[in-house]
Amino acid sequence: GAVVSQHPSWVICKSGTSVKIECRSLDFQATTMFWYRQFPKQSLMLMATSNEGSKATYEQGVEKDKFLINHASLTLSTLTVTSAHPEDSSFYICSASLNSGRAHNEQFFGPGTRLTVL
Amino acid sequence: KQEVTQIPAALSVPEGENLVLNCSFTDSAIYNLQWFRQDPGKGLTSLLLIQSSQREQTSGRLNASLDKSSGRSTLYIAASQPGDSATYLCAVTGGSEKLVFGKGTKLTVNP
Repeated sequence: GAVVSQHPSWVICKSGTSVKIECRSLDFQATTMFWYRQFPKQSLMLMATSNEGSKATYEQGVEKDKFLINHASLTLSTLTVTSAHPEDSSFYICSASLNSGRAHNEQFFGPGTRLTVL
Repeated sequence: KQEVTQIPAALSVPEGENLVLNCSFTDSAIYNLQWFRQDPGKGLTSLLLIQSSQREQTSGRLNASLDKSSGRSTLYIAASQPGDSATYLCAVTGGSEKLVFGKGTKLTVNP
């Protein structure tokens, strides 16, 4: 149980285009999803917290107009990188929280999406 | 602001060796601490979760301890195998329910 998927697993796009990444909780409903970014040999940095039916909460330094997050249902959150540039190239990972029994809001992670902007 | 540090950054050991990975955090007011495994280009697999009231958790060859007052945790891997090669991440959760991650320890177990 508690499986999270991401689509696509990798994407290559031209500079200036927009890219949408989907995060789905497959076997549970998640009122809260999180989006992380990971640079090579670096840790995961939280970008934003996404709550179903409301606006996402962005971390300091993350441009909300650049990284559009939509959480339209209890099983789907999307991250759209708008007008992508090479510096947006990174590994994007989402997670979905669930009262797992081990912890009140344990996060379960997707497999990640590798974005390369040419 | 919570900061998580993992030492060493990289570790290479021969197969069969027991090893310890270290994690420290600056703010002891945590709800829980988790150890994750990340294979290259992949997402995170949760290994162990220790709640703030607990001292340790065990799963197979893995044992994680937590000393909340000193802001430290260790992950002990017994009888290491080449398949254990991966990056191990430590993360803590505080009152905001956000996970704060360390940079990880890259483990290589040589056959």
